[in-house]
Amino acid sequence: GAGVSQSPSNKVTEKGKDVELRCDPISGHTALYWYRQSLGQGLEFLIYFQGNSAPDKSGLPSDRFSAERTGGSVSTLTIQRTQQEDSAVYLCASSLGRAGNNEQFFGPGTRLTVL
Amino acid sequence: GDSVTQMEGPVTLSEEAFLTINCTYTATGYPSLFWYVQYPGEGLQLLLKATKADDKGSNKGFEATYRKETTSFHLEKGSVQVSDSAVYFCALSDLGNTPLVFGKGTRLSVIA
Repeated sequence: GAGVSQSPSNKVTEKGKDVELRCDPISGHTALYWYRQSLGQGLEFLIYFQGNSAPDKSGLPSDRFSAERTGGSVSTLTIQRTQQEDSAVYLCASSLGRAGNNEQFFGPGTRLTVL
Repeated sequence: GDSVTQMEGPVTLSEEAFLTINCTYTATGYPSLFWYVQYPGEGLQLLLKATKADDKGSNKGFEATYRKETTSFHLEKGSVQVSDSAVYFCALSDLGNTPLVFGKGTRLSVIA
């Protein structure tokens, strides 16, 4: 079956602009995660959605970052007023969301470059 | 908070050499442990996992054993191939489906 998909694969933007990154999780997966992969920082957790529960936003680096998940499926990560330090690869992952089965499946990522 | 420490890279080995990538962790609970691999130009893939003490995860000739007494989950392979060249990430998940905490990654290059 289809894996996790993300779009766009690459995004180049100017400092100060807003960007939206999209994630389509695996069908039937109730848990969805956003991570950021950058040089020097490794892989950092950003935000986590589980079913209809309130999202865990504890990893968001600033209030310029937000995410939503519509209908329990597709998720959009929005970065407002982008800064050069936001340049990174943004990864989305999904899992079944069942206790004892926490394997996360990752998408190919969106490479964001802020000029 | 929870954390994962893995050996710094890059690691360069000749084909058929023995590989060890060390990984240790700190966690407040009883975590599940994972190794993910990122091949050049590809996304993260789960390589192997272990969910309780003394469990051994294995896949593609790679192995790692969950050692609670030493809080370690070292990755080993007896004979590496050029196709194993990738970045390897050790990770943990503390409770159920909580987000993964990753190590910084170890780049492995295998030369023929």
